[in-house]
Amino acid sequence: DGGITQSPKYLFRKEGQNVTLSCEQNLNHDAMYWYRQDPGQGLRLIYYSQIVNDFQKGDIAEGYSVSREKKESFPLTVTSAQKNPTAFYLCASSGQGDQPQHFGDGTRLSIL
Amino acid sequence: GEDVEQSLFLSVREGDSSVINCTYTDSSSTYLYWYKQEPGAGLQLLTYIFSNMDMKQDQRLTVLLNKKDKHLSLRIADTQTGDSAIYFCAESRTLSGNTPLVFGKGTRLSVIA
Repeated sequence: DGGITQSPKYLFRKEGQNVTLSCEQNLNHDAMYWYRQDPGQGLRLIYYSQIVNDFQKGDIAEGYSVSREKKESFPLTVTSAQKNPTAFYLCASSGQGDQPQHFGDGTRLSIL
Repeated sequence: GEDVEQSLFLSVREGDSSVINCTYTDSSSTYLYWYKQEPGAGLQLLTYIFSNMDMKQDQRLTVLLNKKDKHLSLRIADTQTGDSAIYFCAESRTLSGNTPLVFGKGTRLSVIA
């Protein structure tokens, strides 16, 4: 089945450690997105990519990095510079034109 | 302002209709979306409406758009306990597509049996 796969479902980070969240899609979508969700909050955009080898910062990019080497994959690294990384991270993708965004099931990141 | 606004909570009895409201900010928004999020899960696309439409119906869901007032609503007929979730309104602010959506903070719908 076509869809978006995020892994792992749960992730724990130690102080000073970088961690990488995986997002893979087999929908042949051009654009991919990373959002952060905190309790009682809406979704805030971290980074997005409209095409391979290109990406743009969102509203809260500090402390995060991304790469887009393949169309199917858009991994997000939470660096040690992100001082409050505990949150639910959602990856999405969308196709050409006005196609809606579709979401993965999320990764919950916690601090040890 | 820049925000998409939604009320945070709604409680209804099973079998009644639910109406979730949203106000958006950009009169040039092209598409407006409703997503549903169940606990611990991602967002599920429920329905969306193009800005030149007034209404869209899809089974138990009815979306109404008042472009003059920048007001969007989602009506769920015959609400069931399985409809309990958080509902997000989102707007697309460009014509070109493939750009991030702007989301409201979500409305938590509780259905009382």
